Amino acid sequence: GAVVSQHPSRVICKSGTSVKIECRSLDFQATTMFWYRQFPKKSLMLMATSNEGSKATYEQGVEKDKFLINHASLTLSTLTVTSAHPEDSSFYICSAGTRSQGYGYTFGSGTRLTVV
Amino acid sequence: AQSVTQLDSQVPVFEEAPVELRCNYSSSVSVYLFWYVQYPNQGLQLLLKYLSGSTLVKGINGFEAEFNKSQTSFHLRKPSVHISDTAEYFCAVRTPGDMGRRALTFGSGTRLQVQP
Repeated sequence: GAVVSQHPSRVICKSGTSVKIECRSLDFQATTMFWYRQFPKKSLMLMATSNEGSKATYEQGVEKDKFLINHASLTLSTLTVTSAHPEDSSFYICSAGTRSQGYGYTFGSGTRLTVV
Repeated sequence: AQSVTQLDSQVPVFEEAPVELRCNYSSSVSVYLFWYVQYPNQGLQLLLKYLSGSTLVKGINGFEAEFNKSQTSFHLRKPSVHISDTAEYFCAVRTPGDMGRRALTFGSGTRLQVQP
């Protein structure tokens, strides 16, 4: 089946530095990538939607200059948390959508970001 | 816009007992419905989905769900749970069309705790 590889699975960074999270669709072309943030014991909150080759659409309240999303190819999307602060610590999950499997999306395994 | 309500934040149950996890949705248009399972520090895995047709949907790991349009519900059931079913379960919806490009809206999740 469709697989989305997300890494790193865990990252610890110092406050003020930037962190890049990658999501790759391994055996299909992801026309759309969704980025979610999940707080402890909470649901998934959609941060942004990116379509290959175009700018990402951010949800209200999400700072696009802080959470940079790039979807340069049909198999790779990246989320860069710039100038990270402790409040950015969270679990980030990507999800790929494609017309060939448009009904149920495939999720990455998530990235646990801890900013110290 | 759609919304999803998972009425129970936690459901404790003994091993081999039946379980039902409740999900209600709100939408002014027709929707597709999904149940996902999340194990600790992992992404989401699709259990089952309802798109159209038979209202009783069977998924993986012995789970099934029934779509009830009049009650706007999509409750998840399993006749006999195992310790390994302990996880977080999310109900999600999305509107049809625009294949692969519409994000899911998630409920707040239900923690299923199976006890020996």
